[in-house]
Amino acid sequence: DAKTTQPNSMESNEEEPVHLPCNHSTISGTDYIHWYRQLPSQGPEYVIHGLTSNVNNRMASLAIAEDRKSSTLILHRATLRDAAVYYCIFGYGNKLVFGAGTILRVKS
Amino acid sequence: NAGVTQTPKFQVLKTGQSMTLQCAQDMNHEYMSWYRQDPGMGLRLIHYSVGAGITDQGEVPNGYNVSRSTTEDFPLRLLSAAPSQTSVYFCASRPPSSYEQYFGPGTRLTVT
Repeated sequence: DAKTTQPNSMESNEEEPVHLPCNHSTISGTDYIHWYRQLPSQGPEYVIHGLTSNVNNRMASLAIAEDRKSSTLILHRATLRDAAVYYCIFGYGNKLVFGAGTILRVKS
Repeated sequence: NAGVTQTPKFQVLKTGQSMTLQCAQDMNHEYMSWYRQDPGMGLRLIHYSVGAGITDQGEVPNGYNVSRSTTEDFPLRLLSAAPSQTSVYFCASRPPSSYEQYFGPGTRLTVT
């Protein structure tokens, strides 16, 4: 199974940057790194994905280590709406395996 | 676009009963998947499909059947419900050209 390691929970202040780490030491060369988040009582929502290079989109940035064994999701300015469970996943195609994720709490 | 829709939102079954969870998408996505989420855990892949007439097993397929007769619909059938199948079920879809999956709102199933 594709396994990732994430902190159980993290806390951030509103309007401050948040760095969510993920370890994926067993990743293979063709596996993409995906991040999804899940707000309470909703389905998961895509955040970002990448293979080797750092990636940016309107929601977040993804920093991937040179050896690809770890990555960090960066929310540049956390808002209360960013409070969710964040899942780091690696895989290829349809076979994505979700771990338990990181619960992000945002304080006003 | 309605996106990915799932029905019903809630369902209670007795052990041994069968039922079908419905999933539909109006984005013309070829790839569709079913996941289950147990309390405090991430999602686990049950079955997936890469197009009409093509399905394959995921991580936890036992006790579930799927078929894909159209691009839009991907129903999940529970053959003989068991308490271990109490979970929240999510359907997702994506186009083959993108890794961005779109998830439905989920069906909360309780088996007593």
